[in-house]
Amino acid sequence: SQQGEEDPQALSIQEGENATMNCSYKTSINNLQWYRQNSGRGLVHLILIRSNEREKHSGRLRVTLDTSKKSSSLLITASRAADTASYFCATDASGSARQLTFGSGTQLTVLP
Amino acid sequence: DVKVTQSSRYLVKRTGEKVFLECVQDMDHENMFWYRQDPGLGLRLIYFSYDVKMKEKGDIPEGYSVSREKKERFSLILESASTNQTSMYLCASSFTTTEKLFFGSGTQLSVL
Repeated sequence: SQQGEEDPQALSIQEGENATMNCSYKTSINNLQWYRQNSGRGLVHLILIRSNEREKHSGRLRVTLDTSKKSSSLLITASRAADTASYFCATDASGSARQLTFGSGTQLTVLP
Repeated sequence: DVKVTQSSRYLVKRTGEKVFLECVQDMDHENMFWYRQDPGLGLRLIYFSYDVKMKEKGDIPEGYSVSREKKERFSLILESASTNQTSMYLCASSFTTTEKLFFGSGTQLSVL
């Protein structure tokens, strides 16, 4: 079953602009993670935010979490053509059978 | 550098064939996972293993089985391949079942 849903499904921006992707989920979580996937490759872990955290930074990435709205956002600042990829959120539902559930992803295209 | 290696990048099989997908990790992780990825559906968990010889069904185990005889190796078996099993298969490993998964590059399987 899909827990996280990303929005938008696709996003196209110019190099240097900021990119914002959103993730909504349905049940209480322990943590939420963001992953990146280059075309035809495996996923790479970007950042993890726990349910008691509201914001987290890593380089040009900023993640926020609003547990009252069951949503998260991933902001990539000063985007580069190399940021072109699919971005997935993954949730660890509280009381779940010890597994992550991934959304269907946002395809980000950064135009040079 | 941590590594999850999947034996094949591309595989073409005939309907009814028995298919083995192999995955090896060099990080001494307890947990290993098999996902399939289809356009618009995101990643769906097929099986995971939390220890040698231990396995648990994910969301879509039908038509698949797994084997984990050694800690570093996790195999996915399609007993009798069908065309609806044409997909990208991703292996992952982690220290905990719900934090920071490391993924292999994926195997694109086509069943004709």
